[in-house]
Amino acid sequence: DAKTTQPNSMESNEEEPVHLPCNHSTISGTDYIHWYRQLPSQGPEYVIHGLTSNVNNRMASLAIAEDRKSSTLILHRATLRDAAVYYCILRALENSGGSNYKLTFGKGTLLTVNP
Amino acid sequence: NAGVTQTPKFRVLKTGQSMTLLCAQDMNHEYMYWYRQDPGMGLRLIHYSVGEGTTAKGEVPDGYNVSRLKKQNFLLGLESAAPSQTSVYFCASSWWTGRHGYTFGSGTRLTVV
Repeated sequence: DAKTTQPNSMESNEEEPVHLPCNHSTISGTDYIHWYRQLPSQGPEYVIHGLTSNVNNRMASLAIAEDRKSSTLILHRATLRDAAVYYCILRALENSGGSNYKLTFGKGTLLTVNP
Repeated sequence: NAGVTQTPKFRVLKTGQSMTLLCAQDMNHEYMYWYRQDPGMGLRLIHYSVGEGTTAKGEVPDGYNVSRLKKQNFLLGLESAAPSQTSVYFCASSWWTGRHGYTFGSGTRLTVV
């Protein structure tokens, strides 16, 4: 499976933008870039995903590099409720072939938001 | 629309006991997954299913069995619990394609003593 690299932790101030980076230099052409976040004592929550073009939704924006080897999750105005672990994941094909997409989680980035 | 529901939410087992964790989804998703999360770690895939009646091994399948007799349910069984299986277990479901995200349950916190 293609791997991702994220900083262990980042810090932000409330109401400021946050840019969470992710490197995925071994990404294949059919891998989607997914972002999830996990608030304390909760299950992971889907944030956003994309393939090649930048994506926006109500929660965040995803900026994907032209060569697709890196991406950035953008929270436009961080709130205290955004404090969580953020996971950047490539949705990869099953090694044995077929369309068995599965997510492989790393340790993610712990985002701390200061009031 | 409940999404993904896991039962129970908490459980304490003695070493050697057995139990079944239930995951139910109401989104008609084809794919379902069981993950475990240990302190300070990311999630690790135990088993997954790509459709009713099918299951496959993930990254850490030893000590667990699964069944998917109905499309909406995915059961995770521990035949003989061990302290190393103390963890938080998360179930998730998704459509078959990477074009869509996963929906996760809220987790089952299992302690084996």
